[in-house]
Amino acid sequence: DAGVTQSPTHLIKTRGQQVTLRCSPISGHKSVSWYQQVLGQGPQFIFQYYEKEERGRGNFPDRFSARQFPNYSSELNVNALLLGDSALYLCASSLGTGLFTEAFFGQGTRLTVV
Amino acid sequence: DQQVKQNSPSLSVQEGRISILNCDYTNSMFDYFLWYKKYPAEGPTFLISISSIKDKNEDGRFTVFLNKSAKHLSLHIVPSQPGDSAVYFCAAQRGSSNTGKLIFGQGTTLQVKP
Repeated sequence: DAGVTQSPTHLIKTRGQQVTLRCSPISGHKSVSWYQQVLGQGPQFIFQYYEKEERGRGNFPDRFSARQFPNYSSELNVNALLLGDSALYLCASSLGTGLFTEAFFGQGTRLTVV
Repeated sequence: DQQVKQNSPSLSVQEGRISILNCDYTNSMFDYFLWYKKYPAEGPTFLISISSIKDKNEDGRFTVFLNKSAKHLSLHIVPSQPGDSAVYFCAAQRGSSNTGKLIFGQGTTLQVKP
């Protein structure tokens, strides 16, 4: 069975540009969460989507947005990129939401903003 | 506000010995704690978890201890193997959040020397 897949694996963008990151969850998983991991830090929660609805949002500016499609795949969009947006972006899928629901992570998308 | 802290950035242990990774938290409302392991170029993978109503959970070579009064948890790996060399993240969840949102520590890099 395929795990969580993310694309692209690496990306270089210029300040001010926009970027779209993609995530396909494990088959049967209806929840997708996005995390940002800056070098030397742990992952930080950005969004969670469940059944195509936003269930949670972390402390990130409105430049960050996401959506979930009917097939449960998800996109994370970041507008007006800043140098500080350079990070590893991780997608995690799970069967549902809440406690005791194991989250499975993809390998991440490494975004570099120059 | 760092609610989950891993104060040791790195740990080096000889193969066969015990590895002890520590994690402190500040929010007494956390209901569930998890440990993730991360190899380079891969996403975090779930290792072991513990509910706040327990003080110990064991799975093979891995044991997690929770001291609620001290707001401290630790991961013991016995015996340590070279393949355990990775970055270990402690994470916490609040049941009231209903999102499954994980709050991660900064991570500890474990090196197990042959």
